[in-house]
Amino acid sequence: NAGVTQTPKFRVLKTGQSMTLLCAQDMNHEYMYWYRQDPGMGLRLIHYSVGEGTTAKGEVPDGYNVSRLKKQNFLLGLESAAPSQTSVYFCASRSWGTEAFFGQGTRLTVV
Amino acid sequence: AQSVTQLGSHVSVSEGALVLLRCNYSSSVPPYLFWYVQYPNQGLQLLLKYTSAATLVKGINGFEAEFKKSETSFHLTKPSAHMSDAAEYFCAVSGNSGGYQKVTFGTGTKLQVIP
Repeated sequence: NAGVTQTPKFRVLKTGQSMTLLCAQDMNHEYMYWYRQDPGMGLRLIHYSVGEGTTAKGEVPDGYNVSRLKKQNFLLGLESAAPSQTSVYFCASRSWGTEAFFGQGTRLTVV
Repeated sequence: AQSVTQLGSHVSVSEGALVLLRCNYSSSVPPYLFWYVQYPNQGLQLLLKYTSAATLVKGINGFEAEFKKSETSFHLTKPSAHMSDAAEYFCAVSGNSGGYQKVTFGTGTKLQVIP
């Protein structure tokens, strides 16, 4: 039972490069989320999805794009990475009314 | 809009002492409330959750929390701290008027347990 799997676990990017973070869940959850975690700021919601083919902006969406082409996958894209996007990124999934299940995180450094 | 306030970014307790981590929330609808724990370099793990059943909720590792609507609080407690409880704790709320779609987290409280 894998739960929520994030790839990659670590990545170093140069400013201006692009990359995609992949989140996969095997629990048939409707809702999926991307958060970033920065010291002293908790987890801030970047984008979320309430179902296949739907996405919505969270509180810090600028500089990121997402897609949910399949129910089990939620992709987070950075088109032109900036040092301010250095962070730990967490994916989560849940069903309506239940708790969120988290992946192990992706540590991204932009130099 | 829903929000969570955790009082105290760092809390220190002696081993065997009471643990009290404070959380206040705001929500325009009856909330679902959660406490998560995060150990270094790991993801978040659910400790306990309130989903409108009993107001006193028991979780894993001896933790419990009480939902108090009049105080809009959901404080986390444990009678006797262990060294293994040292971690960061996050309170979260789901309950905005958009159908409980989003989960909003507090800024976290780091718990230090002193031998």
